[in-house]
Amino acid sequence: ETGVTQSPTHLIKTRGQQVTLRCSSQSGHNTVSWYQQALGQGPQFIFQYYREEENGRGNFPPRFSGLQFPNYSSELNVNALELDDSALYLCASSLDPTEAFFGQGTRLTVV
Amino acid sequence: KQEVTQIPAALSVPEGENLVLNCSFTDSAIYNLQWFRQDPGKGLTSLLLIQSSQREQTSGRLNASLDKSSGRSTLYIAASQPGDSATYLCAVRKMGSNYQLIWGAGTKLIIKP
Repeated sequence: ETGVTQSPTHLIKTRGQQVTLRCSSQSGHNTVSWYQQALGQGPQFIFQYYREEENGRGNFPPRFSGLQFPNYSSELNVNALELDDSALYLCASSLDPTEAFFGQGTRLTVV
Repeated sequence: KQEVTQIPAALSVPEGENLVLNCSFTDSAIYNLQWFRQDPGKGLTSLLLIQSSQREQTSGRLNASLDKSSGRSTLYIAASQPGDSATYLCAVRKMGSNYQLIWGAGTKLIIKP
């Protein structure tokens, strides 16, 4: 049990729709990062938030956006969903650049 | 650009064997390296964290080593059990403004009873 919780665990969306994924970070952690993991591949870095500011972004288009709240929980928003967005979305929390702890992930299927 | 490679991609061994999983990275400027376990369709469980100044870390039957100069880490699993079957991923946290994790593709391990 890492203390990092993600919701929902599964969801199905239609191409073109918008989705919001949520992450509650471990108590005391000030950094949240989001990853996309396609089947059979390693996670790909989407972006990271440190104390409510985005401080790093991977090679993802602007329709992937996020927020970190004062309690350090976070949201990942994806607009104009495409079929290729189907993946496991992982949230990790850490205290600065130390050990990362992951939630159980959200499985997104776009049809 | 940091790249992380894990070899082999898959491994199947009988129960009880000791085994080694390999992780290599191209840029030695790392902050730390972390080994994770992932069960099918699930999230990631942190197994071991090695800081850049450390050479190895141990937890139970697991031992991870780090050789920054050669860009290599190994995860040693002693006396393997069927419950160890999972995908094992390594990730390096790069030095820099955001210390993001760079991942290997993982080694899928099957332990046969």
